[in-house]
Amino acid sequence: GAGVSQSPRYKVAKRGQDVALRCDPISGHVSLFWYQQALGQGPEFLTYFQNEAQLDKSGLPSDRFFAERPEGSVSTLKIQRTQQEDSAVYLCASSLVAGYNEQFFGPGTRLTVL
Amino acid sequence: EDQVTQSPEALRLQEGESSSLNCSYTVSGLRGLFWYRQDPGKGPEFLFTLYSAGEEKEKERLKATLTKKESFLHITAPKPEDSATYLCAVQASTGFQKLVFGTGTRLLVSP
Repeated sequence: GAGVSQSPRYKVAKRGQDVALRCDPISGHVSLFWYQQALGQGPEFLTYFQNEAQLDKSGLPSDRFFAERPEGSVSTLKIQRTQQEDSAVYLCASSLVAGYNEQFFGPGTRLTVL
Repeated sequence: EDQVTQSPEALRLQEGESSSLNCSYTVSGLRGLFWYRQDPGKGPEFLFTLYSAGEEKEKERLKATLTKKESFLHITAPKPEDSATYLCAVQASTGFQKLVFGTGTRLLVSP
C-alpha cells in the first residue's frame, strides 16, 4: 500500500477486556513507532522497533501494554485488562531507515474503554 | 527532559491574513525539528524537517524557520483548506529516534 494502515479504526472495549491493535507500515520501512494521543494533546511515544527488535519501550505506561513485530513488518500493540485511562488514539508511524528521518503516520485507532 | 511548547493554542485568521505559529524547545542535542499537520480524525501528515539554526524550508503557503531555541511556521495568505492542527516535534541526537511533540496549534481560517 501507499501509506501506513491501521486496524481497526475504532475499538470499544469494556473495562478489563484485552485488545489488540494492528499496524501495517510502509513496505520496506525499517523503523516502526507507536504513539498514544489523548484528546487535545500531541502524540506521546510508546515504543520503537528496528526491524523485529524492540529497541525502546520506555514510553509504555504499564506492564499491561505489550508490542511485537515478529517478522519485522506488521506490528501489534496489545493492551491487557483495559482501563478507562487507556482511552485514546493509538498512532503507528514508520520511517525508511534506521536513521533520523521523517516518520509517516497511519490514521490511528481510536480506543474507547467503557 | 526534552520539551516542546507551542503557541498560541488556537488561532483564528481571515482568509489572506498572514501569521506565524511558534514552537519553543529544549532538547539535549537537537537532531531534527519536525512540523506536521493533523486534520480531525486523521494521523499527522509530515510537512518539514529542519536540522540546524538558520535553516528555512518552504511548501506552498508555508515556511518553516529554525533558531537555537525555537521554530516558526509562517503562513502566508492562508486559505480555508489550511485549517488544521499544526504539531511541532523534536528528535534528540542521543538515544533512539522517538519524537517529542508539543500540544499543537489549532488553526481556523475563515473565508
